[in-house]
Amino acid sequence: AQTVTQSQPEMSVQEAETVTLSCTYDTSENNYYLFWYKQPPSRQMILVIRQEAYKQQNATENRFSVNFQKAAKSFSLKISDSQLGDTAMYFCAFMKPGGSNYKLTFGKGTLLTVNP
Amino acid sequence: SQTIHQWPATLVQPVGSPLSLECTVEGTSNPNLYWYRQAAGRGLQLLFYSVGIGQISSEVPQNLSASRPQDRQFILSSKKLLLSDSGFYLCASTPQGSRNIQYFGAGTRLSVL
Repeated sequence: AQTVTQSQPEMSVQEAETVTLSCTYDTSENNYYLFWYKQPPSRQMILVIRQEAYKQQNATENRFSVNFQKAAKSFSLKISDSQLGDTAMYFCAFMKPGGSNYKLTFGKGTLLTVNP
Repeated sequence: SQTIHQWPATLVQPVGSPLSLECTVEGTSNPNLYWYRQAAGRGLQLLFYSVGIGQISSEVPQNLSASRPQDRQFILSSKKLLLSDSGFYLCASTPQGSRNIQYFGAGTRLSVL
């Protein structure tokens, strides 16, 4: 079974600065997907970014980028130019494709606070 | 793009009462559907998933059940709620043609007293 570990329960950053959230995972699969979801105080789960394991290029979405290290099974999220609206719980998640399930396995989350 | 509706948004129920949470999806057909529970301060636990009408898979033994009476409708139920059923319940969908991305509804906050 896959496991996802987020070792930072809480982090804080000053507005306009850069912060990196860590995620490691354990799997014997070679093909899979990794995700970062954001859960603001409203508790709506919002997809931030997705990485396909067979792609070496790191995914980027505006101020959000990942550092995907497949051999190390590491998938960190970098948030540049942090904004107050980035304050949220961030979850790293793993998906093994194939079959019909497409289930997600989540880490326990990192609470990010952006300070003015 | 698809939209996922969940209701109610908030629910307070006494121990021993029944439960019915509903999730409907717009904008896609034949989605995979999922129910997650999020306990306070914790991550998401997958409860049930469904790949088609009437097809339900349970991930953990518990006091809850799920049903999928229509293609884009997913219901979470209980005959008798327990205190431990309190939490935040999220419905998710992977649309046909894009199974490798899950989208979430706004969730239902359930308090069992």
